[in-house]
Formats: sequence, C-alpha cells, structure tokens
Amino acid sequence: AQSVTQLDSHVSVSEGTPVLLRCNYSSSYSPSLFWYVQHPNKGLQLLLKYTSAATLVKGINGFEAEFKKSETSFHLTKPSAHMSDAAEYFCVVSGVRGRRALTFGSGTRLQVQP
Amino acid sequence: DSGVTQTPKHLITATGQRVTLRCSPRSGDLSVYWYQQSLDQGLQFLIQYYNGEERAKGNILERFSAQQFPDLHSELNLSSLELGDSALYFCASSVGASGRSDQETQYFGPGTRLLVL
Repeated sequence: AQSVTQLDSHVSVSEGTPVLLRCNYSSSYSPSLFWYVQHPNKGLQLLLKYTSAATLVKGINGFEAEFKKSETSFHLTKPSAHMSDAAEYFCVVSGVRGRRALTFGSGTRLQVQP
Repeated sequence: DSGVTQTPKHLITATGQRVTLRCSPRSGDLSVYWYQQSLDQGLQFLIQYYNGEERAKGNILERFSAQQFPDLHSELNLSSLELGDSALYFCASSVGASGRSDQETQYFGPGTRLLVL
C-alpha cells in the first residue's frame, strides 16, 4: 500500500519570498509522485510529476520538486511566491502498474500575503 | 482546460434520491477514474475503468456504481443518497493502463458538486 503525508496543513508566505511545501511518501515499490493544485472552486491541475527519471522535476508556473529516496520526500518549492499561487496543493502517489489509482495527501493551503 | 468534461456542474437533490454523474474523458484516453472530495474524508479514489471494464475499486459504497460505455464516457450512479454523500465528485482520465507511467498521468475534470438536502 502507498500513502503520502503532507506535513503542513497551512503555509503562509509573503509575495516574492520562497515557497516550501513538504511531502513524505510511503510505498512498497518505485512510486510515481505528483503535485496537483486546486484553486478555489476549481478542479485539480497537474503541477508536476516524478516518474523515475530525473530526481529534480520542473513543473508549471516556476514550481519544482525534488525526489529524495533516502528521505522518502518529495517537497515542492518555488523561489518567489506570487499572489496567484494561493491555492490548495496536494501531494499524490500513484498505485501499481495498471491500477494507477491516486492516493492523495490531506492538502496544504498556501496563503500569499501582499 | 484538461479536456475532461463533467456534467452537471452542480446538483441539488434530496435524501433517498438517485443521481447520475457523467464524464467524458480526453480524446484517446481509455482509463477513467472517479474520486470523491469531501471536507471530512479529503480526496478519495472510488473506482477505475479501463476500456469498458472495471480495473480497480477504492472506497466506493455499495450504493454507488459506475460504468464505462463503448464510446468511453463514464457514468457514476449514486443511489439512496444520504446527507453525507454531499461532496465534489471528480472524474479523471489517462491514456491507459499500459504499465508505462508516462502514459498514466491523470487529468481531472472540473468536478460535479453534489448537495444532498
């Protein structure tokens, strides 16, 4: 079985400062990991994904995440927050081959202060 | 726009009723997934279909059922509705279940918000 733990339910940053959203995963196999973002009253948008290629993954809107197997972590970062980044972020792990049901973390709400 | 469409966007109904949610996957995608997002349970996987056949089941209640049709659209049927079924229901699609992880990225529709009164 697989699981993800998002270590912070809320993160607040000032506009222009770095963003760090933390995620730890547990999986009995080599996982595929994702970050999705959900803006208020919107659907889920894929930010980036890790699928056993490069451990540093670049996504949309300046976000990136680093897969660290030794730490079982997949933290999401962005050098400089923008007001439009305010949203709910989900760290997600994929299921086994052929049954790729996603297991979602509990989410981190990112607030960006002006 | 992910290319996944869901109808209706909003649904208000009463306890004990039955509703059907519809999903059209992205063109070319063979797999469809259903998820439920509620305040107390978060985002949970319900069920997956691949090319018309059930592939995986998650935390789906017996009162709920789904199917995928030959044109690959899918419907989620919710019956004997309870207040606790009020949630946002998402459909997602992916290319398939080929085993290649690069083909199994899931793209989500905008969701159907169900309110049971």
